[in-house]
Amino acid sequence: DSGVTQTPKHLITATGQRVTLRCSPRSGDLSVYWYQQSLDQGLQFLIQYYNGEERAKGNILERFSAQQFPDLHSELNLSSLELGDSALYFCASSVGVRTGELFFGEGSRLTVL
Amino acid sequence: SQQGEEDPQALSIQEGENATMNCSYKTSINNLQWYRQNSGRGLVHLILIRSNEREKHSGRLRVTLDTSKKSSSLLITASRAADTASYFCATSSEGTSGSRLTFGEGTQLTVNP
Repeated sequence: DSGVTQTPKHLITATGQRVTLRCSPRSGDLSVYWYQQSLDQGLQFLIQYYNGEERAKGNILERFSAQQFPDLHSELNLSSLELGDSALYFCASSVGVRTGELFFGEGSRLTVL
Repeated sequence: SQQGEEDPQALSIQEGENATMNCSYKTSINNLQWYRQNSGRGLVHLILIRSNEREKHSGRLRVTLDTSKKSSSLLITASRAADTASYFCATSSEGTSGSRLTFGEGTQLTVNP
């Protein structure tokens, strides 16, 4: 158990809809990272937050947004969903703002029909 | 696009044999990490090697790093069926205010009992 909790584990929705994925980092970790894993794109870095502030941005679509709250949990919002958004979405956390070891959650599997 | 490229994409060996996976990357790095992922599960950190280190050991794992060739290798000795998983290398690069870990495509290792 990594200590990182992600909900929901599975989510099935329709195109055009909006979903919110939630992540609770490991106790004491201030950085949260979001990754998308799909068969054709592999593991793609989306965004990093550190202590509530956005710190690094990757290949995150404009339809996606994220935030980190004062209690350090984070949410990834995906809107106007398309079939191609179907993927495993991982949250990871680390102690500091620089990337040492990341602790990954078990992921949220999103299926868009 | 992925920073790292693993080689081979798939590897099948017998229990007790050694498994070697290679990773090449393109830009300068702060550190390189190896992760393991069981099918559909979260990634688990295996080992981190800093850019000024050449070799590191952890149990049955041995990692080498050649920054002049921008390559790394992961050796798993005396493999076990339980080592069956996907293995990813990930490179750390840091921006002005944050950092990201960029993953390769992964090597699927199958250890046959």
